[in-house]
Amino acid sequence: DTEVTQTPKHLVMGMTNKKSLKCEQHMGHRAMYWYKQKAKKPPELMFVYSYEKLSINESVPSRFSPECPNSSLLNLHLHALQPEDSALYLCASSPPGQLQETQYFGPGTRLLVL
Amino acid sequence: AQSVTQLGSHVSVSEGALVLLRCNYSSSVPPYLFWYVQYPNQGLQLLLKYTTGATLVKGINGFEAEFKKSETSFHLTKPSAHMSDAAEYFCAVTTGGGKLIFGQGTELSVKP
Repeated sequence: DTEVTQTPKHLVMGMTNKKSLKCEQHMGHRAMYWYKQKAKKPPELMFVYSYEKLSINESVPSRFSPECPNSSLLNLHLHALQPEDSALYLCASSPPGQLQETQYFGPGTRLLVL
Repeated sequence: AQSVTQLGSHVSVSEGALVLLRCNYSSSVPPYLFWYVQYPNQGLQLLLKYTTGATLVKGINGFEAEFKKSETSFHLTKPSAHMSDAAEYFCAVTTGGGKLIFGQGTELSVKP
């Protein structure tokens, strides 16, 4: 298994809803990432988990809540989002190692907040 | 601090022509460099990477890139463009620790 999977592919939610995005990898990678990408822009890093511990939070609003239940799974819990949070949310993972430099991306979840 | 500059937000070539996408980086320590491709409504796919060793790196789909330290460049080339190469291309740099710094991206169009 050599890929990162993300579910759902598409998500529409209202500003009062609670939803979750899911990311899985079975490549033995020990670092996992959440990115947000707006149209025609590069991905922006949101969170990094290393060995199931949160290592980087890029000052993301608390309406986004990450969770890493185990080394293969990464969730992003969403609550009280704003329309400007509509974007493509990408998950990535990288192999164990000191630098964890090479990131492999999933196909993304396209989120629309109404 | 690291940064990446991609020259040209949009590049258009004819099918069969040379593809050249430019990337310059800034890094105070030896960088690791990457090119990713993103097709419409998809995630990012790793095309190739430079970490250490040979400065000419070959990737998937016939792409290659050359790391030139003296020019702080990592340009992406392909000898003959195909219609299926039309996509957004991102150059990225990291020195480790999980932070990939992306360029602004270059949209490649291929004309028949």
